[in-house]
Amino acid sequence: EVQLVESGGGLVQPGGSLRLSCAASGFTFSTFWMNWVRQAPGKGLEWVANIKPDGSEKYYVDSVKGRFTVSRDNAKNSLYLQMNSLRVEDTGVYYCARDLSAAGNFDYWGQGTPVTVSS
Amino acid sequence: EVVLTQSPATLSLSPGERATLSCRASQSVGSFLAWYQQKPGQAPRLLIYDASNRATGIPARFSGSGSGTDFTLTISSLEPEDFAFYYCQQRSDWPPFTFGQGTRLEIK
Repeated sequence: EVQLVESGGGLVQPGGSLRLSCAASGFTFSTFWMNWVRQAPGKGLEWVANIKPDGSEKYYVDSVKGRFTVSRDNAKNSLYLQMNSLRVEDTGVYYCARDLSAAGNFDYWGQGTPVTVSS
Repeated sequence: EVVLTQSPATLSLSPGERATLSCRASQSVGSFLAWYQQKPGQAPRLLIYDASNRATGIPARFSGSGSGTDFTLTISSLEPEDFAFYYCQQRSDWPPFTFGQGTRLEIK
């Protein structure tokens, strides 16, 4: 059974940092593109970043470029999102999601981890 | 960036009725469009990918159609568990992948 379990969310002040983790199991993690998608309270979904299976390519939405870094450790079946210079507008639930087709069909999602940026 | 516009914002129907949800893209996305269902407090679930392909385990009452800029998600006969939010998402022109703003399907 495919499972994705996020952790690392919490309350942080504007300008602070957080590192999110996503532990994967039930599939060959090292062969799939992985993604982070977020959802602000009461709002829709926003794709944040993705990473190639070998970690050699990474892409970001413009609003997080230069502040967020996606990475992975295939030996540990884990995906990460390092979030620096956090802003109030980064508040939301962050989901990790597996990519079915290597370009944007998200077939399995974690339960999400909440991030609140507030003073 | 491709903008996806979903309509209606809210759809009120009764169990057993047919639901038709629309998604319009600001430029052609070919057939590279997916649909997701999300219930309150839960993660999204992939329903349809590449416009018309049902994801694993998705009931046959869900179907997708369209290409280019106009797409439709149809639920042939609503079950109580189908009342939720629905989002379309394109993968034609990325980054970024973009989602529509969502349609809320509520019980009438």
